[in-house]
Amino acid sequence: AQSVTQPDIHITVSEGASLELRCNYSYGATPYLFWYVQSPGQGLQLLLKYFSGDTLVQGIKGFEAEFKRSQSSFNLRKPSVHWSDAAEYFCAVGASGDMRFGAGTRLTVKP
Amino acid sequence: DGGITQSPKYLFRKEGQNVTLSCEQNLNHDAMYWYRQDPGQGLRLIYYSQIVNDFQKGDIAEGYSVSREKKESFPLTVTSAQKNPTAFYLCASSISISLREQYFGPGTRLTVT
Repeated sequence: AQSVTQPDIHITVSEGASLELRCNYSYGATPYLFWYVQSPGQGLQLLLKYFSGDTLVQGIKGFEAEFKRSQSSFNLRKPSVHWSDAAEYFCAVGASGDMRFGAGTRLTVKP
Repeated sequence: DGGITQSPKYLFRKEGQNVTLSCEQNLNHDAMYWYRQDPGQGLRLIYYSQIVNDFQKGDIAEGYSVSREKKESFPLTVTSAQKNPTAFYLCASSISISLREQYFGPGTRLTVT
């Protein structure tokens, strides 16, 4: 069965520091891969997506993610974090009619 | 502006009462979804609909019901049979069921006491 693991429940980084959020998945074939961000009490906003092609994908707000098939990973990165990036981040994988979400990683940004 | 609206933002009910959560989209999407979010558990799929007058159970459909009489609307009823209904409920839509990205509404926080 397909599943998604986000190993880090909570990460704290200093403003201006780089960020990497980890995502590992289990899926029979190459799924569609997504990263979403959620501010407290809000819906989810799509940051980026991977369907095929170039394994390094660019998203909104300066985020990027790299698909590594050999490691079944789709880690999210940002070179310099801003205080407004504090939120919860969800990795999701799926195919037709079936999307699975990780449990989320909460990001705290220190001034 | 195109998007998904959910109302109300906050909803309070007494135990034993059914309650219906609204979800409307004007994105002309065929597929719509309902998720439940609990702290530390990510999102879990309750029901989804590929097209009008069709819907399928997700992983945690027990105690919930839906209808899809119009393309734009996908209301969720939380029945008294749902043992632990207090949660944050998110509605989403996508162009079609052959999964492209899903777009989410702002959510409804339901509290049952």
